[in-house]
Amino acid sequence: EVQLVESGGGLVKPGGSLRLSCAASGFTFIDAWMSWVRQTPGKGLEWVGRIKSKVNGGTTDYAAPVEGRFTISRDDSKNTLYLQMDSLKTEDTAVYYCTWLRSHAGRNFFDNWGQGTLLTVSS
Amino acid sequence: DIQMTQSPPSVSASIGDRVTITCRASQGIGDRLAWYQQKSGKAPVLIYVASSLQSGVPSRFSGSGSGTDFTLTISSLQPEDFATYYCQQSESFPQTFGQGTKVEIK
Repeated sequence: EVQLVESGGGLVKPGGSLRLSCAASGFTFIDAWMSWVRQTPGKGLEWVGRIKSKVNGGTTDYAAPVEGRFTISRDDSKNTLYLQMDSLKTEDTAVYYCTWLRSHAGRNFFDNWGQGTLLTVSS
Repeated sequence: DIQMTQSPPSVSASIGDRVTITCRASQGIGDRLAWYQQKSGKAPVLIYVASSLQSGVPSRFSGSGSGTDFTLTISSLQPEDFATYYCQQSESFPQTFGQGTKVEIK
């Protein structure tokens, strides 16, 4: 059974930093492309970024609102995905989900999701 | 970015009703569309990719469409189907989601 378990959320002041973790199990993590997706009541679901598998270069891509402030990384030896968030803004307040990004015939979709972890950015 | 617009924002229906949710893309996306179901307080769950129902999803769910207009239909609404449904396109980077359609009990 695929499991994705996020941790690390909490309350942070504007301008602060936080790192989220996602422990993965039940699939071959080293081969997986992974994404972070966030959800707010106002803006709904928003893709944050992705990291490819190392065999595909291990490169990352980010949504415009977080580019330059967020960094996605992975430790394949620990089956763990990370999201380092710096220079946080109040608009980053959201539930953050770790997802397994799958692809089939040119269609990319988020096949499995963690339970989510809440980040609140407030003074 | 491609904008995904869902309608209606919410629908009130009874058990056994047929429910149709529409998703419209701001430009053509072929069949690069997925649907997710999200129950209150839970993470979204993938239910449909292009014309393929995901494993374990009841056959009362069906999806159709291509280009810019798509529909998700629940042929006979069941108690466990009350949830919010989201569409998501993968034709163009970044992948974007619709704002959701909440299916509520009448």
